[in-house]
Order: sequence, then C-alpha cells, then structure tokens
Amino acid sequence: DAKTTQPPSMDCAEGRAANLPCNHSTISGNEYVYWYRQIHSQGPQYIIHGLKNNETNEMASLIITEDRKSSTLILPHATLRDTAVYYCIVTGGGNKLTFGTGTQLKVEL
Amino acid sequence: DTEVTQTPKHLVMGMTNKKSLKCEQHMGHRAMYWYKQKAKKPPELMFVYSYEKLSINESVPSRFSPECPNSSLLNLHLHALQPEDSALYLCASSQDEGVYPYNEQFFGPGTRLTVL
Repeated sequence: DAKTTQPPSMDCAEGRAANLPCNHSTISGNEYVYWYRQIHSQGPQYIIHGLKNNETNEMASLIITEDRKSSTLILPHATLRDTAVYYCIVTGGGNKLTFGTGTQLKVEL
Repeated sequence: DTEVTQTPKHLVMGMTNKKSLKCEQHMGHRAMYWYKQKAKKPPELMFVYSYEKLSINESVPSRFSPECPNSSLLNLHLHALQPEDSALYLCASSQDEGVYPYNEQFFGPGTRLTVL
C-alpha cells in the first residue's frame, strides 16, 4: 500500500471549514484513499473514501487531485466535536488498513 | 445496531497472569480485527479473521492468542505478557473481503491494558 504524509497538527476556528491535506505521491491506479478519525479515548471512525472523483457525504467532502498524488478532506463547518486525529490511508482493498501518524485537528472557539 | 462492544474497558494484569479480551458485533460482519495502539501512536494491525478463520497474523508474539468462536465473537487470549505490551487494544469488524473496495471498519472503544 502507498505511503501517506500528513501535517502533524492543524488548528481551525469553530464554524469554519477545516481542510486537511494528505500526500500520497506513490499511489497506484487501483488504490483508494480512505479517511478515518479518532476522537480521544475512542476507536477510529470511518469518514469517507474515494478513488479519483470527488466524494461527499454527510460528514465531509474528499477532493482528490487529477494526478491522484494528493487529497484534501474538508469538514465544511467544523465544531468542537470534530477535534480528533485524522488518518489518511491508501489501500488497494482487502482487509488491511495501515494507519500513518495522522493529523491532530484542534477546533477552537 | 452498528456497535462493536469490547470487555473489559480496563484490565490490569501481572506478567504471570492469563486473561482474555472479548469483542462482539451483531452487524452480520464476517471479518473481525485486533489492533494494538500505544500512547500517541496510530493503531497497528495484529490479526484479521475472515469467515471465522485467521487470515492475517502480523507476526504477533505467541503470548497473544486470538480466537473466533463464531462470526459475532472475537477473543484475544493473553499469557505471560510484558510491561511493554501495555496499550489500548481495539477490535473492529467489517463486511467480508468480497465487498471490495468498500472497507469501512467499525471499531469498538477498546480495552486499556496495563501489564505490571
């Protein structure tokens, strides 16, 4: 599975959009981008996934660049409850998820 | 019901003890997982069961012994652990390997294990 690079931490004001970047320059054609988050003292939670088209669900939007070498997770209106570690994972499917170090997002008033 | 439950929430054990962690899901998922998470580190995969058979063992020491008695239950038997095994142990489940590529894993809250 391709390796990912994420900034270790980011801050966001409540109510504003949080844009979390992920670099995956070695991604191959059949690999998907998944995002999970882990709120303190809880298990990770699935957010969204995509292959090459932009995706949106009730939690977030995922923007994947045309060359697929990077992506951005967008939380459109961040709240304090969105404070968590966000993991970008690239995998070719199957049952094996390899978590990187993630981005600690802190949403502040 | 989209919940994965884990018991106990906390466990303290000595290096000579034998204990078990339990995980249960009722979502009809056929794949179940154990992860280990040290403080301030990402989760690391330990084992994967698919249709009640062990499909992935990430070179985990034999003092950790997984068991999947049926499709809803997953156990992790612990014996002769070391203090460095202290960590949060997370269980997860997902639909089977055939549901490619949608691989949403549902995680439980974890068992926080302390080995003295």
